[in-house]
Amino acid sequence: GAVVSQHPSRVICKSGTSVKIECRSLDFQATTMFWYRQFPKQSLMLMATSNEGSKATYEQGVEKDKFLINHASLTLSTLTVTSAHPEDSSFYICSAGRAAVHEQFFGPGTRLTVL
Amino acid sequence: QQQVKQSPQSLIVQKGGISIINCAYENTAFDYFPWYQQFPGKGPALLIAIRPDVSEKKEGRFTISFNKSAKQFSLHIMDSQPGDSATYFCAASPRFGAGTRLTVKP
Repeated sequence: GAVVSQHPSRVICKSGTSVKIECRSLDFQATTMFWYRQFPKQSLMLMATSNEGSKATYEQGVEKDKFLINHASLTLSTLTVTSAHPEDSSFYICSAGRAAVHEQFFGPGTRLTVL
Repeated sequence: QQQVKQSPQSLIVQKGGISIINCAYENTAFDYFPWYQQFPGKGPALLIAIRPDVSEKKEGRFTISFNKSAKQFSLHIMDSQPGDSATYFCAASPRFGAGTRLTVKP
């Protein structure tokens, strides 16, 4: 159990376009979802935490107008990278959790390349 | 965002040896301390986790030791195997340490 999927797994886009990444918890209801960004050979940097039905809480230094997060249901959260630029190229990983349990279950990640 | 400090940055161990990775956290509000294993191009996978009311947890070859007063915890991998070669992250959930690149030589 506790499977989290991400779609797409890989995306290449032109500079200035917007990209949406979906994160789904397939077999449980996720009260909280987390979005991370990981640059090559670096750690996972927490971008934001979102709870179903409420606005996401962004980490310091993360532009909320650039990285739009929507957590519309207990099984789906989306991250939209607006007006993407080459410096946004990274590995984006989501995780889903249940507040009472504190465990996080990670998706397989999405490799974003902005040309 | 560096609330979890992890060391060493890289580690080379001979097959059959013990791999030890250490982490320290700052915020006493953290209450869930997992270790993750990550292979290139993949998301992190949970290895083992501990809560602060327990001082040690063992699952197979993996053991977490937890020192609440020192705000430190460590991962021990016994009988390390080449297949264990990966990057390991500690976390004071949801924040991650910097990672340790483990290489197990045959």
